[in-house]
Amino acid sequence: AQKVTQAQTEISVVEKEDVTLDCVYETRDTTYYLFWYKQPPSGELVFLIRRNSFDEQNEISGRYSWNFQKSTSSFNFTITASQVVDSAVYFCALSGVSGYSTLTFGKGTMLLVSP
Amino acid sequence: KAGVTQTPRYLIKTRGQQVTLSCSPISGHRSVSWYQQTPGQGLQFLFEYFSETQRNKGNFPGRFSGRQFSNSRSEMNVSTLELGDSALYLCASSAGDSSTDTQYFGPGTRLTVL
Repeated sequence: AQKVTQAQTEISVVEKEDVTLDCVYETRDTTYYLFWYKQPPSGELVFLIRRNSFDEQNEISGRYSWNFQKSTSSFNFTITASQVVDSAVYFCALSGVSGYSTLTFGKGTMLLVSP
Repeated sequence: KAGVTQTPRYLIKTRGQQVTLSCSPISGHRSVSWYQQTPGQGLQFLFEYFSETQRNKGNFPGRFSGRQFSNSRSEMNVSTLELGDSALYLCASSAGDSSTDTQYFGPGTRLTVL
């Protein structure tokens, strides 16, 4: 069975602070994919990144960066210089080759960025 | 390309009724998945359709069903509604060629059961 744990339920920061959202996963698959999605108050899940299990290179996209460490089964997400528009719920998700198009989601981390 | 669209955006029903939700995937995508999101259980997978066939199913009672049409549009139906069915129902589409394709989500249908 697959499992994704996001231990941080809610994080509050002040604008311009850096913030890291933690994600730990469990899977028996040797090939799998990890995802991060953002859910603003409107409700739509917005895709942020997809990473396969064979690629442990960190990724940076503007103010967003992701740290994938297979040794600790973690896929953490950092927002640098946070902005109010970053306020949302962020979900980490896992997809394995053993189940077609099935995403296993963590419970999400609500990020509140205040001015 | 237009994104995933879902209709209606909001629904209010009473216990015992049935409801049908609709999802139009991104053009060219052949896989449609449905998820239920509640405050208590989070995001849970309902089922996935590919080329008009249910390819995968989550752990939900038979009251939840779905189908996919030849143009890849999908509908899900919930019969004999219960209060606990109140949730945000999200539809996602992907190319469907691989089990690990990126899924793109629609805005959801918020169902309230009174």
